[in-house]
Amino acid sequence: AQSVSQHNHHVILSEAASLELGCNYSYGGTVNLFWYVQYPGQHLQLLLKYFSGDPLVKGIKGFEAEFIKSKFSFNLRKPSVQWSDTAEYFCAAFYNTDKLIFGTGTRLQVFP
Amino acid sequence: DVKVTQSSRYLVKRTGEKVFLECVQDMDHENMFWYRQDPGLGLRLIYFSYDVKMKEKGDIPEGYSVSREKKERFSLILESASTNQTSMYLCALRVGNYGYTFGSGTRLTVV
Repeated sequence: AQSVSQHNHHVILSEAASLELGCNYSYGGTVNLFWYVQYPGQHLQLLLKYFSGDPLVKGIKGFEAEFIKSKFSFNLRKPSVQWSDTAEYFCAAFYNTDKLIFGTGTRLQVFP
Repeated sequence: DVKVTQSSRYLVKRTGEKVFLECVQDMDHENMFWYRQDPGLGLRLIYFSYDVKMKEKGDIPEGYSVSREKKERFSLILESASTNQTSMYLCALRVGNYGYTFGSGTRLTVV
């Protein structure tokens, strides 16, 4: 079955630390990949997406993600986090079935 | 920008009640989705709809049904609410190719 895995459930960092959140997806042919963010009390927002082409994707707020086909991974990175990055982050995959499949989410807490 | 509106932000219902969650879009997109969000489980798809009067089961449809009588409105129905349906419910709209816009969610508590 098609699935998305996020292995980091809860990450705690200090401001200015570097961030990498893991995301792995199951094989299913052509796949489009997304990272969404949910700030406390707010709705889901798209951070970035990968359809094809350059495997290094840049999104909003200084985030980027790298698509590594051989590893079925799409990890999210940010060189220096801020307190305002405290949120829950969801990786998602679209397998041409008209359904967007989500991972279980990673809760990020950034302390000043 | 397209807007997805969920009518209630918070709801408290009693066990056994019939519950309607409403989702309205302000444009003419076809594909609409209902997810529930639970801590540690992420977002799980309940039902989705390609067009008026069309519906497809998602991954966890048990205990739910949906209605899409008009293109702009997609309703999620809990026929007889139970405490295990206490959750955050999110409506989503597919916009163009592979873009999704989400509503702000309805936090339902069943007591």
